[in-house]
Amino acid sequence: AQSVTQLDSQVPVFEEAPVELRCNYSSSVSVYLFWYVQYPNQGLQLLLKYLSGSTLVKGINGFEAEFNKSQTSFHLGKPSVHISDTAEYFCAVMNSGGYQKVTFGIGTKLQVIP
Amino acid sequence: NAGVTQTPKFRVLKTGQSMTLLCAQDMNHEYMYWYRQDPGMGLRLIHYSVGEGTTAKGEVPDGYNVSRLKKQNFLLGLESAAPSQTSVYFCASSYVGAGTDTQYFGPGTRLTVL
Repeated sequence: AQSVTQLDSQVPVFEEAPVELRCNYSSSVSVYLFWYVQYPNQGLQLLLKYLSGSTLVKGINGFEAEFNKSQTSFHLGKPSVHISDTAEYFCAVMNSGGYQKVTFGIGTKLQVIP
Repeated sequence: NAGVTQTPKFRVLKTGQSMTLLCAQDMNHEYMYWYRQDPGMGLRLIHYSVGEGTTAKGEVPDGYNVSRLKKQNFLLGLESAAPSQTSVYFCASSYVGAGTDTQYFGPGTRLTVL
């Protein structure tokens, strides 16, 4: 079984400040890790993913995440947020073999304050 | 290339009524999925399909049925709607082979059951 924990349901941050959205996972097998973003009244779109290789992953819109196997974490960050980053962010984990079952976290709402 | 589309966008039903949600994708993806999104619960998988003519149960299948008669379409049916099925429904699809890890989402259907 696999699970994802997003530690913060809401994160308010001032514009141009840095932000970190936290994600921890558990799994008995190797996994792939993802961050998806959902803008208001839209579907989810992929922000970035970790499959293998370098543990620091860069995504769209200046976001990056670091895979930490020992701490089973995949935290998402951005050094300077913009108003347009206001959205809900979902961490997800997928089995790396066999049927690609994906488990999503409950989401973190990022509110950027002008 | 429209990606993943969903119809309708909004619907209000009375308890006991039935309806079908349609998902269509033009990316020739083998895998298709139906999720529901509820506040504080993230996305939960209802049913999925790994190819034309095949379907399987996900995490929360009760009260729903699905069909995949054509590769590009995945239908979600509610035979007798209940207020507990008030939710936002998302369809997604993905490749088989290279790139299978990423799911592509539709814009969602907001369903209210009175």
